[in-house]
Amino acid sequence: AQSVTQPDIHITVSEGASLELRCNYSYGATPYLFWYVQSPGQGLQLLLKYFSGDTLVQGIKGFEAEFKRSQSSFNLRKPSVHWSDAAEYFCAVGEDDYKLSFGAGTTVTVRA
Amino acid sequence: DAGVTQSPTHLIKTRGQQVTLRCSPKSGHDTVSWYQQALGQGPQFIFQYYEEEERQRGNFPDRFSGHQFPNYSSELNVNALLLGDSALYLCASSLAGLVYEQYFGPGTRLTVT
Repeated sequence: AQSVTQPDIHITVSEGASLELRCNYSYGATPYLFWYVQSPGQGLQLLLKYFSGDTLVQGIKGFEAEFKRSQSSFNLRKPSVHWSDAAEYFCAVGEDDYKLSFGAGTTVTVRA
Repeated sequence: DAGVTQSPTHLIKTRGQQVTLRCSPKSGHDTVSWYQQALGQGPQFIFQYYEEEERQRGNFPDRFSGHQFPNYSSELNVNALLLGDSALYLCASSLAGLVYEQYFGPGTRLTVT
């Protein structure tokens, strides 16, 4: 079984500043990788996904993520954060048996 | 285009009772997965349904069961509720050929007292 680690439980960032959320996974083969966002009391919204090809993927809401096989990482970035980006962010990996395995999440707080 | 819908939104049950949660997949999707999200944690996979059969199951007891109907909608049933079953239950739908690209509903918040 593989696992997903999000080392940062909580990150506070100023509006307009850049944001980077870390994600590490353990998996033997090339994984399917995802980032989801969850606003309070809501379900999960898919931000972006990586299946193969270009290791830098673009998503919605101005987010991007880079797959680095050598570091087993799939970090999420945004150049300039907006107050509406305050939410919980989950990294997930698709496993062979059709399920998604999620990290514990990173809570992002945006200060004015 | 309707997304994934779930009902009810909130539910309060007593220990030992049984509960049924419902999910309608995104239009065109034929696969439904269920996840449990405890407070402060990431979602945990319960099981996945495709062609009205349970295709894969996570590490959950038999008290958790499900069903998929011919129109692809799905139910999650939990028997003999425990306090620890209190969580947000998320349904996700996908296409069988793109099973990892899952779209989530808003969830059902279950509280067991």
